[in-house]
Amino acid sequence: NAGVIQTPRHKVTGKGQEATLWCEPISGHSAVFWYRQTIVQGLEFLTYFRNQAPIDDSGMPKERFSAQMPNQSHSTLKIQSTQPQDSAVYLCASSLDGDSNERLFFGHGTKLSVL
Amino acid sequence: GDSVTQTEGLVTLTEGLPVMLNCTYQTIYSNPFLFWYVQHLNESPRLLLKSFTDNKRTEHQGFHATLHKSSSSFHLQKSSAQLSDSALYYCAENAYKVIFGKGTHLHVLP
Repeated sequence: NAGVIQTPRHKVTGKGQEATLWCEPISGHSAVFWYRQTIVQGLEFLTYFRNQAPIDDSGMPKERFSAQMPNQSHSTLKIQSTQPQDSAVYLCASSLDGDSNERLFFGHGTKLSVL
Repeated sequence: GDSVTQTEGLVTLTEGLPVMLNCTYQTIYSNPFLFWYVQHLNESPRLLLKSFTDNKRTEHQGFHATLHKSSSSFHLQKSSAQLSDSALYYCAENAYKVIFGKGTHLHVLP
């Protein structure tokens, strides 16, 4: 079991460029979560999928952020026209079924730096 | 919406002293699950302990916490801090999605 895999580990973009972050959940897990981690805000919920369907995207900045889960083995988080305030560590997590009692398994994150 | 408030910032204490990190939550749901996650330097967050049952103590790796629904609290405690406990601790609540607090840095000095 390789755990949750996130690529790339580090991404540097210029202001206004696009960034795509990838996540491969643990095999057999049907729930995938995206969080943004900063020192000031801690772990901020962005969005989550269950069985590839978007369930809640209430944490996503509406205009520039989008997430997809085209198949059960990967999810992407896309940020268009990146801004310096988007600089953060983006963490993906998965759980078995997405039930309330389940632990989340986190990937190592993608550190996004917007210059 | 739901929210979690925990001891913010940095908590510094000397090895051997007791640890207490506060966590309170707000939710409209009556039966949330509460969690503590720990994140060591250059690692990802991992589950430390969780609870669902009111007034029942849950323990793991020397840490313990008791969910008190009357006060919406789930404080993390340990009787004697170790150097290896230095890490970032997140309290989280899950009624319909997992909401985290802002995290508490625990720094244990020799």
